[in-house]
Amino acid sequence: GQQLNQSPQSMFIQEGEDVSMNCTSSSIFNTWLWYKQDPGEGPVLLIALYKAGELTSNGRLTAQFGITRKDSFLNISASIPSDVGIYFCAGQSNQAGTALIFGKGTTLSVSS
Amino acid sequence: KAGVTQTPRYLIKTRGQQVTLSCSPISGHRSVSWYQQTPGQGLQFLFEYFSETQRNKGNFPGRFSGRQFSNSRSEMNVSTLELGDSALYLCASSVSGRSNYGYTFGSGTRLTVV
Repeated sequence: GQQLNQSPQSMFIQEGEDVSMNCTSSSIFNTWLWYKQDPGEGPVLLIALYKAGELTSNGRLTAQFGITRKDSFLNISASIPSDVGIYFCAGQSNQAGTALIFGKGTTLSVSS
Repeated sequence: KAGVTQTPRYLIKTRGQQVTLSCSPISGHRSVSWYQQTPGQGLQFLFEYFSETQRNKGNFPGRFSGRQFSNSRSEMNVSTLELGDSALYLCASSVSGRSNYGYTFGSGTRLTVV
């Protein structure tokens, strides 16, 4: 089946630093989504991308839909302690229909 | 507006038993999807219901089933529970099931099989 390779698996950074994570696939996706999950909760949508090349920001978060439609990245600028959590990329493709394919997640730790 | 509500939040069952989980979507959302989250496999799609019909299905055994009612509320059932079914089960609702309208997840039901 389709897979998303998300990296890095984990990151340990200082407050104020910028963060970058990405997802790649051998398959084409029509939509890329970035979610954040806090312990004991469901994923919360951060950014949605619908067109190849699209660059979208949400506050300190910026994400891009790769030109090849096989990758996406998420940047977090000036990290703060509440950025701690697990970040997931998810894609939707013609092959998977209405199902979201998720990456394995990036665990972000921020020290103040 | 109210979010996606999943009940119960926690559940402990014995191997061989069956379990039913419930999901109430956001008002006006007609699509409900279910996902299984485990440390090893991550988030995996189980199935999606739209207007009381199963529209999409993931690669899970037939012990996993679901249904959707006319008010869009959905239930999923797992029969003959196995230890490996221990997981966080998440449901997500959307207006149509296409991500253009966004997927909103509930807080999940944590199932432990002993």
